This record gives sequence, structure tokens and C-alpha cells, in this order.
Amino acid sequence: ETGVTQTPRHLVMGMTNKKSLKCEQHLGHNAMYWYKQSAKKPLELMFVYNFKEQTENNSVPSRFSPECPNSSHLFLHLHTLQPEDSALYLCASSQDTLGGGDTQYFGPGTRLTVL
Amino acid sequence: QQQVKQSPQSLIVQKGGISIINCAYENTAFDYFPWYQQFPGKGPALLIAIRPDVSEKKEGRFTISFNKSAKQFSLHIMDSQPGDSATYFCAASGGGGATNKLIFGTGTLLAVQP
Repeated sequence: ETGVTQTPRHLVMGMTNKKSLKCEQHLGHNAMYWYKQSAKKPLELMFVYNFKEQTENNSVPSRFSPECPNSSHLFLHLHTLQPEDSALYLCASSQDTLGGGDTQYFGPGTRLTVL
Repeated sequence: QQQVKQSPQSLIVQKGGISIINCAYENTAFDYFPWYQQFPGKGPALLIAIRPDVSEKKEGRFTISFNKSAKQFSLHIMDSQPGDSATYFCAASGGGGATNKLIFGTGTLLAVQP
């Protein structure tokens, strides 16, 4: 688990706040992912970055804004969220996205609560 | 067609028993089927994975059975232990040109009773 770290682990924010989630991978990977995990739902892929370039935005509302300054770091900037955005946000990394079957390594997640 | 359907939602097994979790998919272009294990407070971790060129893969007490014609695959945990209590997710990816995008099932909460 130390391969992918996420901070903070828990976050409570109001609907008008602006906050950021941080992910860092120490595996030398080139691809990074943001997922949303809600109870009794499949993990939802939000964004994919490969070699710092965004390759997928899975119709995510603009109140979620990703940033990938380099292959080791990934941020998710949050603003004017809704209570239904409360969930566990997971970051993952893999060697790259060039072909299927590449193992994705997950961080422990940030538990987000929007009041 | 992108869905992966997983069952059961929850499962209680006695120590030493066999745990079986099933998944079904529609997209015949999928060519990689991993299972992830998630403990409370942790992110999912890859447990075992299979490609459709084989019908079974075994790693220790964990076995994936794959039925290409039925578009189904399942995870079998032999001699289940209390330490196996976790949530298990099946997933699928592939499709020629796909970029490692995993489609996950809804998860199965496994409780192994001592």
C-alpha cells in the first residue's frame, strides 16, 4: 500500500468550500487514475492520465477538476460539491495505459463527506 | 454492454468452507478479468487475474474459473479463513485499443465465520 499514498485520508467539507485531494505513487508508473467508490455501486472511473496527459474524462461534473503535474502526482480539486458527492475517492496507478491487462495499484482512498 | 454483473452481494461462509463469487459480462471484446480484494480502510488490491485463453487459473487457495461461451467467470476460495473476510470485486477490461479501462462489478462482502 505504501506504493500509492493519498492525503488526506478523511475530509469533511461544506458545499461552498474548495479543497484538494492528493495522490502520489512511488512505483515508477506512467498512468494514474481517479475512481469514486460509493456504497453498493461499482467503482466508477473518473479520470485517466497517461504520461501526464488526460486520456479519459468519464463525464465527470466540472466541480471535480483533476491535475497531473508529473507522472508521480495526481490531484483532484473540489469546489461547490453536493452531498451526493460524499464517497471514497481512490487513486490508482499502472505502468501505462497502452493495452489492457496492466495491473492497477490502488491507494487507501480519501473518505469525503460533503455537508 | 459495458456492465459486469456480480453476485452474491454478500456471503457468509464457515471457516474451512468454499466461497464462490460469480460474475457475468456482455462485451465479448473483454480479454482481461482480474479479481480485487478490499479490506476495510484499504484500497482494492489485485488478487488474481485470468485471460480468456485458459479456463482456469489457480494461485494457492484462490481459483478463477472462466467460461467464455457463457461469458461468466467466478472466484473460488478454498479452505476459507477468517482473514479472507473482505469485499471482493470482479472486473473486466480490453477490447482492442482500450486503454486499460477496468469495468468493476458491484462487489461481494465475504464474512468467514470461525
